[in-house]
Amino acid sequence: DSGVTQTPKHLITATGQRVTLRCSPRSGDLSVYWYQQSLDQGLQFLIHYYNGEERAKGNILERFSAQQFPDLHSELNLSSLELGDSALYFCASSPGTGNTGELFFGEGSRLTVL
Amino acid sequence: SQQGEEDPQALSIQEGENATMNCSYKTSINNLQWYRQNSGRGLVHLILIRSNEREKHSGRLRVTLDTSKKSSSLLITASRAADTASYFCATDGNQGGKLIFGQGTELSVKP
Repeated sequence: DSGVTQTPKHLITATGQRVTLRCSPRSGDLSVYWYQQSLDQGLQFLIHYYNGEERAKGNILERFSAQQFPDLHSELNLSSLELGDSALYFCASSPGTGNTGELFFGEGSRLTVL
Repeated sequence: SQQGEEDPQALSIQEGENATMNCSYKTSINNLQWYRQNSGRGLVHLILIRSNEREKHSGRLRVTLDTSKKSSSLLITASRAADTASYFCATDGNQGGKLIFGQGTELSVKP
């Protein structure tokens, strides 16, 4: 158990809908990272937050947004969903920022868009 | 674009054999990490090697890093069926706050 909690574990929804994925980092970790894993794209970095502030952005679509709250949990919002958004979405946490050390991953949220 | 590229994409061996996976990357790095992922599960950190290190060991794992060739290798010795998983290298690309993963090597260890 990594100590990172993601909910929901599975989510099935329709095209055009909006979903929110939630992540609770390990106790004491200030950094939260979001990744998308799909068969064709592999593991893609989406965004990194540190202590509530956005620190790095990757291949995150404009339809997607994220935030980190004062209690350090994070949410990834996916809107106007398309079939191609079906993927495993991982959250990871680490204690600090800057030079990236070990990340602790949650078990992921599997999103299926029908 | 991916920072790290693993080779081979898939590897099938017998229990007791050694497994070697390679990773190449494109830009300068502060460190390189290897992660393991069992099917459909979260990634688990295996080992981190810093850019000024050439070799590192952890149990049955041995990692080498050649910054002049921008490449790394992961050796798993005396493999077990439980080692069956996908293995990913990840680099920070000297950018901080952004760990980029390769496409992974799918390892199958047959009992």
